Amino acid sequence: DTEVTQTPKHLVMGMTNKKSLKCEQHMGHRAMYWYKQKAKKPPELMFVYSYEKLSINESVPSRFSPECPNSSLLNLHLHALQPEDSALYLCASSLPEGVAYNEQFFGPGTRLTVL
Amino acid sequence: AQTVTQSQPEMSVQEAETVTLSCTYDTSESDYYLFWYKQPPSRQMILVIRQEAYKQQNATENRFSVNFQKAAKSFSLKISDSQLGDAAMYFCAYRSEEAGGTSYGKLTFGQGTILTVHP
Repeated sequence: DTEVTQTPKHLVMGMTNKKSLKCEQHMGHRAMYWYKQKAKKPPELMFVYSYEKLSINESVPSRFSPECPNSSLLNLHLHALQPEDSALYLCASSLPEGVAYNEQFFGPGTRLTVL
Repeated sequence: AQTVTQSQPEMSVQEAETVTLSCTYDTSESDYYLFWYKQPPSRQMILVIRQEAYKQQNATENRFSVNFQKAAKSFSLKISDSQLGDAAMYFCAYRSEEAGGTSYGKLTFGQGTILTVHP
């Protein structure tokens, strides 16, 4: 299995809702990433987990809460989002830093719309 | 901090012809990787090709090859025999391999180049 899966594909939520995005990989990768991508822009890194521990938080607002319950799963919990948070949310995974050929494999993304 | 610049917001090519996408980067590090990623309209980001900075030989993957000029900090992508399926946004990306640095392992992306392939 050489893919990263993300659910749901699309999500529409109100500003008072609580929802979660899910990411899964079975490639034995121990680093997982959340990115936010606006249309026709590069992905912006949000969080990095290495060996199930949060290693990088790029000063993301607290309304985004990541969770890595095990080495295969990565969640992003959403609460009280703003319309400007509407974007494509990409998950990626890789072998840990320091390992050769540890390129990131990306999932198809969740397109989030906040009303 | 490292920066990656893609100076061509859009490029177009005729099917079966060759196109080159430009990328320059700025870094003071000696140990790093460079990547080209492709993102078609379906939005799935796919790795096209990878180059290790310590390797002088340019990477090649089928119809895709790079021209890596380390001293000039240039990393262009050549697509030969272009196909309709090559139409996508292409991102050049840099990853630091300097252990202990604040950017270790993080990808820095350029702004992207939209490639259109005409039949």
